[in-house]
Parts: sequence; structure tokens; C-alpha cells
Amino acid sequence: AQKVTQAQTEISVVEKEDVTLDCVYETRDTTYYLFWYKQPPSGELVFLIRRNSFDEQNEISGRYSWNFQKSTSSFNFTITASQVVDSAVYFCALKISGSARQLTFGSGTQLTVLP
Amino acid sequence: DTGVSQDPRHKITKRGQNVTFRCDPISEHNRLYWYRQTLGQGPEFLTYFQNEAQLEKSRLLSDRFSAERPKGSFSTLEIQRTEQGDSAMYLCASSLAGAVEQFFGPGTRLTVL
Repeated sequence: AQKVTQAQTEISVVEKEDVTLDCVYETRDTTYYLFWYKQPPSGELVFLIRRNSFDEQNEISGRYSWNFQKSTSSFNFTITASQVVDSAVYFCALKISGSARQLTFGSGTQLTVLP
Repeated sequence: DTGVSQDPRHKITKRGQNVTFRCDPISEHNRLYWYRQTLGQGPEFLTYFQNEAQLEKSRLLSDRFSAERPKGSFSTLEIQRTEQGDSAMYLCASSLAGAVEQFFGPGTRLTVL
């Protein structure tokens, strides 16, 4: 079975600070996909980034960057120069390849960016 | 707006009543998913359709729950004889066949009194 753990339940930062959200996952599958979604107060889950298990290259996209390390089963997400509009709940999710189509989500991290 | 839409956005009902939610996926997406999200938790998978065929159901989907996608377009999720434990946000997502990303709708928040 798959499992995603987000140990940080709440994080508060002051605007313009960098913040890293942690995610640890468990799966026996060798091919899988990892995601980060954002859920603002309106409730809609917004897709942010995806990573494939066979590509550990870390990337930067605007103010977002991620650090994928298979050796520690971690997929951490960093927001640089945080803004008040970044305040939301952030979910890490896992999808294995093959017949299973569903996403397995962590319990989320509430990020509050203070002005 | 061409995203996933859900109706209603909020539903308050009394215990024992039946409720039905609707999801309209992104038009060209043939895969549709239902998830349930309780307060302080991440979404949990309920069921999945490819076109009109319901291919997977979670153990969370009790006999009181039924989902349909009759023409492979919109889907409905019905809960019969609602219980207070059914109070949650019900999220719908869609994707293209072969694609990995799922795109979510705004959800229907159900409150059972």
C-alpha cells in the first residue's frame, strides 16, 4: 500500500521569507509519480508540480522549486520569497504506475504567510 | 470557464435523507474520479470512471453510496440514508487517458445534521 506523510501540520512565515514543505512517501512500486497541490480557502485543489520516479533532477519554476530524493523517499517543495497569496493548505500526493489510477494524498500542511 | 465544475457547492441535509451531487469534467477528459475530504485531512479516493465504465471502487464506498456516469460525460454521486459521518467535502477530478495529472473541481461541501 502507498502512504504519504506530511509531518508539518502548520507553518507560519513572514512575507518574503523562503519556506520548505516536507513530504515523505512509501511505496513498493519502482515507477510512480509525485505531486504537489495547493488548496486555497475556496477549496479547489490546484495542481502545482509533478515529478516522475525515474527523473531525480530537481528544478525551479518561478518561485517554486522541489527536491526529490529517492534514497530518502522525500519530495520537498520550496517557495522562495513567499507572498500573502501563497497562504493555503499544500498537499503532497503519490500515484503509482499500472492499473491503479487514484492519487494518495498526505494530510496537508497549512501555510500562513504574514504581511 | 472550462475547468471541472461541481453542483451544488454546499448541501445541508438531515440525517436519513438522500443527496445527489453532480460533476462535469473538462470536456475532452474521459477519466473521472471522486474523492472525499474530511476536515484536516487530505482527499481520499472513492471511485473512478473511464468513459461510462466504473473501473475502481474504494472500500470507503459503502453500499449507501452509488456513482454513475451514464454517457461518459457528467457524473453523479448519490448518498442514501445520510449519516453524520458523511459530512465532508466531495471532490471530483478529471484527466485525459494516458495523462497523469488530475484536475479538480471546487468540491461539494456536505453537512449532515
